[in-house]
Amino acid sequence: KAGVTQTPRYLIKTRGQQVTLSCSPISGHRSVSWYQQTPGQGLQFLFEYFSETQRNKGNFPGRFSGRQFSNSRSEMNVSTLELGDSALYLCASSLGVSSYNEQFFGPGTRLTVL
Amino acid sequence: AQSVTQLGSHVSVSEGALVLLRCNYSSSVPPYLFWYVQYPNQGLQLLLKYTTGATLVKGINGFEAEFKKSETSFHLTKPSAHMSDAAEYFCAVSDSNTGNQFYFGTGTSLTVIP
Repeated sequence: KAGVTQTPRYLIKTRGQQVTLSCSPISGHRSVSWYQQTPGQGLQFLFEYFSETQRNKGNFPGRFSGRQFSNSRSEMNVSTLELGDSALYLCASSLGVSSYNEQFFGPGTRLTVL
Repeated sequence: AQSVTQLGSHVSVSEGALVLLRCNYSSSVPPYLFWYVQYPNQGLQLLLKYTTGATLVKGINGFEAEFKKSETSFHLTKPSAHMSDAAEYFCAVSDSNTGNQFYFGTGTSLTVIP
């Protein structure tokens, strides 16, 4: 079974631009979560989608948004980029929404904001 | 609120020595606990998880962890470190109150000295 894939792997943007990151979950997985990883803050939860609906949202400004499509693929968007948005963005998929379902992570998208 | 504390952001051990990475959690209901490993420029890979049942959990690559409710701990151990164990290790907690949202510790970087 193919793992979680994320595209692109690397991105360089400038302040004020917007960016869209894509995540394809493992086949059959319907839940997709997004995390931001930075050296200073560690792994922080952004949001979770299940069946095209956002179920949970972390404490991030409205510039961060996401969506999920009917095939469970997900995208996240960051508008008006700031230098502090430079991070590794990780996507994780799981079978369902139960707390005991392990999450399978993709390799991440490394975003650099100049 | 759920939280995870990983004592020691950096741990160094000699090859062949015991590996002990500490994780303490807080949760108001029975927790589900996970250990993930991250190699450079990669996503997170599940090492092991505790949901219910036996409190000593065995994972991949010779790692194991013991859930101790009285100590709210879930420390990760490996009897004999290998050079390939050098990586970043993350402890995470979820529970029935958080749904599919994982709370991660800040990570422990393991260095293995030859």
